Amino acid sequence: DAGVIQSPRHEVTEMGQEVTLRCKPISGHDYLFWYRQTMMRGLELLIYFNNNVPIDDSGMPEDRFSAKMPNASFSTLKIQPSEPRDSAVYFCASDLTGGRNYGYTFGSGTRLTVV
Amino acid sequence: KQEVTQIPAALSVPEGENLVLNCSFTDSAIYNLQWFRQDPGKGLTSLLLIQSSQREQTSGRLNASLDKSSGRSTLYIAASQPGDSATYLCAVGGGSQGNLIFGKGTKLSVKP
Repeated sequence: DAGVIQSPRHEVTEMGQEVTLRCKPISGHDYLFWYRQTMMRGLELLIYFNNNVPIDDSGMPEDRFSAKMPNASFSTLKIQPSEPRDSAVYFCASDLTGGRNYGYTFGSGTRLTVV
Repeated sequence: KQEVTQIPAALSVPEGENLVLNCSFTDSAIYNLQWFRQDPGKGLTSLLLIQSSQREQTSGRLNASLDKSSGRSTLYIAASQPGDSATYLCAVGGGSQGNLIFGKGTKLSVKP
């Protein structure tokens, strides 16, 4: 398996624009997690899905952020409109059992810069 | 609310030295604890996973221990090498949250 695949690797956008980040989890993994990493706050969970259903979105900063998982092999994280404070590295991770038995596998991340 | 703390925030050692990285957590009701390595500008690589019923895990020069009752874990690196330079992150999983809670990491620099 190619692991968790995220795209794009880098994204530079202007304030106010819509940004869509993409993630393909490992085949067969039932759990998918979106994390955000900043220098100030470290790694924070934004939202996670189990069997394509959002379970906990309490980490989503505000209504400008939305995430979907239309099928087991694809998820998106959308920011609309984007703001400079959204600049961060966004990671996607997947797991077979919600991290309870095997631990998480992370993608390489998307570095977002909003100017 | 689970909180994970890693001390020190940064560490610089000469090559060949054995070292210990520390991780503490406030809620002992965890399923497991995972140590990750992150190189600059890169993603996270899982190093070791310790289940709540285990006391330690070993992989090569790395040994991680877990003391649930005291809310502590250590990552021991033997005979450090410049290639070990990276940020090491500790994360705890479990409880009702169903996700990993991360510490802010220890940035390790091993000098040749």
